[in-house]
Amino acid sequence: QSALTQPPSASGSPGQSVTISCTGTSSDVGGYRYVSWFQQHPGKVPKLLIYEINKRPSGVPDRFSGSKSGNTASLTISGLQAEDEADYYCSSYASRNHVLFGGGTKLFVL
Amino acid sequence: EVQLVESGGGLVQPGTSLRLSCAASGFTFDEHAMHWVRQAPGKGLEWVSSISWNSAGIDYADSVKGRFTVSRDNAKNSLFLQMNSLRPEDTAMYFCARDSLVETTYLDSWGQGTLVTVSS
Repeated sequence: QSALTQPPSASGSPGQSVTISCTGTSSDVGGYRYVSWFQQHPGKVPKLLIYEINKRPSGVPDRFSGSKSGNTASLTISGLQAEDEADYYCSSYASRNHVLFGGGTKLFVL
Repeated sequence: EVQLVESGGGLVQPGTSLRLSCAASGFTFDEHAMHWVRQAPGKGLEWVSSISWNSAGIDYADSVKGRFTVSRDNAKNSLFLQMNSLRPEDTAMYFCARDSLVETTYLDSWGQGTLVTVSS
């Protein structure tokens, strides 16, 4: 199984919104609701931002939102802040108890 | 508070073996599937293996299948990864992660990781 496809980088200015896409297939992203997003700052552990497509764990600001259309999931960050500069990874359940990750998107806050 | 503490990493030569451990606390261990995920230096996340709550469901990434074996001891709240025939491309930080449910769904908590370096 191939990794999910994410753009290598994205950018935005403070206060703006940015959307990161994650494209898979009907055997992973398109076929299940278990799509999640992680934020990882350099040298840190990945942090769960979004689960089950659009749900936020307790403590995650509502500036972070998720959606899915067909085989593509998206993470939108509104009201960009300097501390949002990080790597973002999507993840999806795939068949046979597999988990797939995207290649990661480095977000720059200009 | 969920705590996952990995151990067992180190510098090993190609072709040798290593056993990673993950000690879990702060939650009911046998109510969750568990995973190993790795991250090579400067690279992205790669799922390695999953094991269901009762060890009945186990699977591996193609890159490690036949070389790595995942197991768990629910009585000791512990997860293991036996890594054989190690290759330089196995060099990575290895994270233990908890699944949200008894079978694979999504990963909701991560340990700090243990570094494995395979080099001669």
